Amino acid sequence: QVKLVESGGGVVQPGGSLRVSCAATGFTFRSYGMHWVRQAPGKGLEWMAFVRYDGDKKYYSASVKGRFTISRDNSKNTVILQMSSLRIEDTAVFYCAKELRSGTYAPGPTDTWGQGTLVTVSS
Amino acid sequence: SYVLTQSPSVSVAPGETATVTCGGDNIAAKSVHWYQQKPGQAPVLVISYDRDRPSGIPERFSGSNSGNTATLSISRVEAGDEADYFCQVWDSGSDNPYVFGPGTRVTV
Repeated sequence: QVKLVESGGGVVQPGGSLRVSCAATGFTFRSYGMHWVRQAPGKGLEWMAFVRYDGDKKYYSASVKGRFTISRDNSKNTVILQMSSLRIEDTAVFYCAKELRSGTYAPGPTDTWGQGTLVTVSS
Repeated sequence: SYVLTQSPSVSVAPGETATVTCGGDNIAAKSVHWYQQKPGQAPVLVISYDRDRPSGIPERFSGSNSGNTATLSISRVEAGDEADYFCQVWDSGSDNPYVFGPGTRVTV
């Protein structure tokens, strides 16, 4: 079945860097755009970044643009979020999510989410 | 950037209909998607493109979008429907293009 598994979360100091990954199984990964969405404790959903199915187009939220980089490796069915200059307010559960429709050029709804990985930014 | 508004909470009796609204400037011009999130779980897509139900979502869930308000309706509400519900749109011209609403807690 379709499954996404995030990894790489942990505790990092303010100003530090961290890389979180998402391993995908059960579908043709190279055909689907992928997202990263985060949720701070007790808060709502905040979208971070999107990478198109072919990796050629990326979008970012204003709050992470220039600090976070999304990438994908279609040979390994993996999407990665490289985070730098981390702030205390970046503390959250980070989810990767798969687009509902294949081959889309603009981001749309997501029909599969991972279980999330917790990133804690603290001194 | 585009802003979505939702009421913080809705309370409904079992068997009744819950109505969750999502407000935005001329939101009818955009496609609205709805997610359900239960405590400790990842979100689940319940309505896409204003009114489409993904496979496995009960017919009790329906959506509409008109003017400045999109609506998620849950008919014959069950205890298992108690959750947070988030609307979401894509606003291509914005510096924050992929927007979630703040969420509505539906209490049964």
